Amino acid sequence: DTAVSQTPKYLVTQMGNDKSIKCEQNLGHDTMYWYKQDSKKFLKIMFSYNNKELIINETVPNRFSPKSPDKAHLNLHINSLELGDSAVYFCASSPGPERTSYNEQFFGPGTRLTVL
Amino acid sequence: GNSVTQMEGPVTLSEEAFLTINCTYTATGYPSLFWYVQYPGEGLQLLLKATKADDKGSNKGFEATYRKETTSFHLEKGSVQVSDSAVYFCALMTWPGNTPLVFGKGTRLSVIA
Repeated sequence: DTAVSQTPKYLVTQMGNDKSIKCEQNLGHDTMYWYKQDSKKFLKIMFSYNNKELIINETVPNRFSPKSPDKAHLNLHINSLELGDSAVYFCASSPGPERTSYNEQFFGPGTRLTVL
Repeated sequence: GNSVTQMEGPVTLSEEAFLTINCTYTATGYPSLFWYVQYPGEGLQLLLKATKADDKGSNKGFEATYRKETTSFHLEKGSVQVSDSAVYFCALMTWPGNTPLVFGKGTRLSVIA
């Protein structure tokens, strides 16, 4: 069974469109994340949710809106897509703040977004 | 703030060569340290980890030792294989246990037969 899954794997769209990426984890984790990997492979945190509540929101344009309907899902909606949004977006999850002194993060396979 | 610095790539080695990828960090408190690997076209996989000073993480022949005195976590492998070709990321995480990972810029390794 896939631990952290994302859909779609590839997303090609036109500038100005609105799109969503979905993420689901079946590990029973409390915390979920969205990371962005740019064309130079640099990975950076975008958002973090703990038990459906937003806990970290880095300096991301407000065109990006995460939504967590329950603690197993964290979706990313992007409005008015721009060329610079082209990247690979990774979802991840970890047990939560209280479980152990550190928590391994499990990553999804990534969604490659291409904006034309 | 927290940061991770990795040696710039790409690194090209012949099969069975010795590998070292340097990683140093800056962090408040006592971070946990990780190496992640990204094979071509795939997501990130945890390769190894260390949670306190002098811990050695190891997996698949790779090793890294948490050196607090030099704030380093260098990745080593004694004999690389073609199948080790990938991008390697050094990362850290601080308390509490669900803070996001801070990644280095990644080092691309190519191993040729």
